[in-house]
Amino acid sequence: GEDVEQSLFLSVREGDSSVINCTYTDSSSTYLYWYKQEPGAGLQLLTYIFSNMDMKQDQRLTVLLNKKDKHLSLRIADTQTGDSAIYFCAETPPGTYKYIFGTGTRLKVLA
Amino acid sequence: ETGVTQSPTHLIKTRGQQVTLRCSSQSGHNTVSWYQQALGQGPQFIFQYYREEENGRGNFPPRFSGLQFPNYSSELNVNALELDDSALYLCASQGQGSYEQYFGPGTRLTVT
Repeated sequence: GEDVEQSLFLSVREGDSSVINCTYTDSSSTYLYWYKQEPGAGLQLLTYIFSNMDMKQDQRLTVLLNKKDKHLSLRIADTQTGDSAIYFCAETPPGTYKYIFGTGTRLKVLA
Repeated sequence: ETGVTQSPTHLIKTRGQQVTLRCSSQSGHNTVSWYQQALGQGPQFIFQYYREEENGRGNFPPRFSGLQFPNYSSELNVNALELDDSALYLCASQGQGSYEQYFGPGTRLTVT
């Protein structure tokens, strides 16, 4: 089936690291993405990783990919209150351009 | 460079009516995808348009239809609206050969 799974909630203290996890469905998926959605807004592309990579770092963001377990994670270093939002992972099955999104993880950063 | 824009921002319709939502893609992007995001859920793929042709469709009934114009802008039409059609409708554009989709702010549709 097309169920990309994420935990619903995560709460961290400002300055700590956040790790958001995702289990995707298709081990052949070409690209995997992380999007951020703030209340009442559209989706902002944060970063993405190609399936032949294990890790990608982009400033405070680190993406880890475990293809064997179909597990994707997003680590946010030095989490700030402005990082409070819903985070979605998404995959692109091979041969398509469509995205399959997870259910989203609501990150709450406590001051 | 102008990002993806959508209109209107909000819309209230009655069950059984028809609605048209509009999307202008980012400059240079020739592919537009539409997604439905119900409250508390992730976006669900409706369909994609590439060079004015439908290029893939998700599990949505035929009363969801679309168009893409020569300037790559797009419309989503929904006929015979149902209460469950209430959602945030997002469009996303991408460039030729790119796997990165950039989203607009969405149109929030409420069906009463």
